[in-house]
Amino acid sequence: NAGVTQTPKFRILKIGQSMTLQCTQDMNHNYMYWYRQDPGMGLKLIYYSVGAGITDKGEVPNGYNVSRSTTEDFPLRLELAAPSQTSVYFCASSPTSGPPYEQYFGPGTRLTVT
Amino acid sequence: DAKTTQPPSMDCAEGRAANLPCNHSTISGNEYVYWYRQIHSQGPQYIIHGLKNNETNEMASLIITEDRKSSTLILPHATLRDTAVYYCIVRVRAGNTPLVFGKGTRLSVIA
Repeated sequence: NAGVTQTPKFRILKIGQSMTLQCTQDMNHNYMYWYRQDPGMGLKLIYYSVGAGITDKGEVPNGYNVSRSTTEDFPLRLELAAPSQTSVYFCASSPTSGPPYEQYFGPGTRLTVT
Repeated sequence: DAKTTQPPSMDCAEGRAANLPCNHSTISGNEYVYWYRQIHSQGPQYIIHGLKNNETNEMASLIITEDRKSSTLILPHATLRDTAVYYCIVRVRAGNTPLVFGKGTRLSVIA
């Protein structure tokens, strides 16, 4: 299993541009999450999904959109990028059964908006 | 906001036990204590979790006080590869709820 994969690894955007961060998991997990991590801080939840077709906002959803059309994929869309969205973005997934309902994280996407 | 308090940093000599404290004085009866770690800006990695009994797995031990207001993560023989940021997280019912991360403790294992 590849686990959770994220693309791209790095990206530089200009203010006002848009992009989609890709996240794919091959563990057949129903639950998927997007977090962002600013320097020196813990991760903050952007959006999450409990299954295909179902998404919900987290703590910091403004400026982002998500969709979940398949179990495997959970893309994160940035519209009109702003410098405040410069961060490292982590995608995670977790199985329905548990405990421990362990979240498996991807390697992250480092985004800079200038 | 995170419901836990951790020291910002700690040092530990290689081969010695690393004891990482966490205060969670407002924990509720249905909330579990989870520990994750993040090595060198990689994605966080699950370590262990517990409700009220002490727990041990191949990575670490978790000691929870009787009143459940604090806990300690123990890495019995720390290695250089254990250098990371360790996050103590309180989570409802050990269910599939999102994780709420604080700033964690940066553990430096020194040769």
